[in-house]
Amino acid sequence: AGVTQTPRYLIKTRGQQVTLRCSSQSGHNTVSWYQQALGQGPQFIFQYYREEENGRGNFPPRFSGLQFPNYSSELNVNALELDDSALYLCASSLEGSSYEQYFGPGTRLTVT
Amino acid sequence: KQEVTQIPAALSVPEGENLVLNCSFTDSAIYNLQWFRQDPGKGLTSLLLIQSSQREQTSGRLNASLDKSSGRSTLYIAASQPGDSATYLCAVTRYSGGYQKVTFGTGTKLQVIP
Repeated sequence: AGVTQTPRYLIKTRGQQVTLRCSSQSGHNTVSWYQQALGQGPQFIFQYYREEENGRGNFPPRFSGLQFPNYSSELNVNALELDDSALYLCASSLEGSSYEQYFGPGTRLTVT
Repeated sequence: KQEVTQIPAALSVPEGENLVLNCSFTDSAIYNLQWFRQDPGKGLTSLLLIQSSQREQTSGRLNASLDKSSGRSTLYIAASQPGDSATYLCAVTRYSGGYQKVTFGTGTKLQVIP
């Protein structure tokens, strides 16, 4: 099975909190999260390997995550801002392999 | 800091033409380079992955090359079709400090006109 993300679309109000979910491709132990604003390339948020965050891009602490023993993952964003409106993508890969990344369809978050 | 640039930002070609998309990166210490396709509002579909030790990869009508020393990669699409219309993104991966960090370009939006 490929990478799945839920929900696909979400509308939130500024100041609220949101949780996005990702199920990795079968056998993959590494998950990365990206934010893609309209017309831009994806920006790296953070990566999890075996339930621990082992890398982070230039995003504030209100962006946090979890990876579970079955390698599914969550992205949590607190105190939503209008600029958080974007497509959020997760990608899974296998540590120790070619690191080829497989992406899910994304969650479109709109903050009003 | 790795920077990835894709030129042109947009390209429009008639059906049947061969075309080349360009990707350049500033730090040649990469682990691999991956080309993706993205349809409007959708996720990314992996097209080709080139390891740092490789020079090129081919899949069907697609051929990607990598020149690490000059910080460049090209994606060649042969005999373009309207179904190839999409945004094409390149991404370079560095493996540093125990994790892989991926940097994307901003993409080339391709339109193939029937």
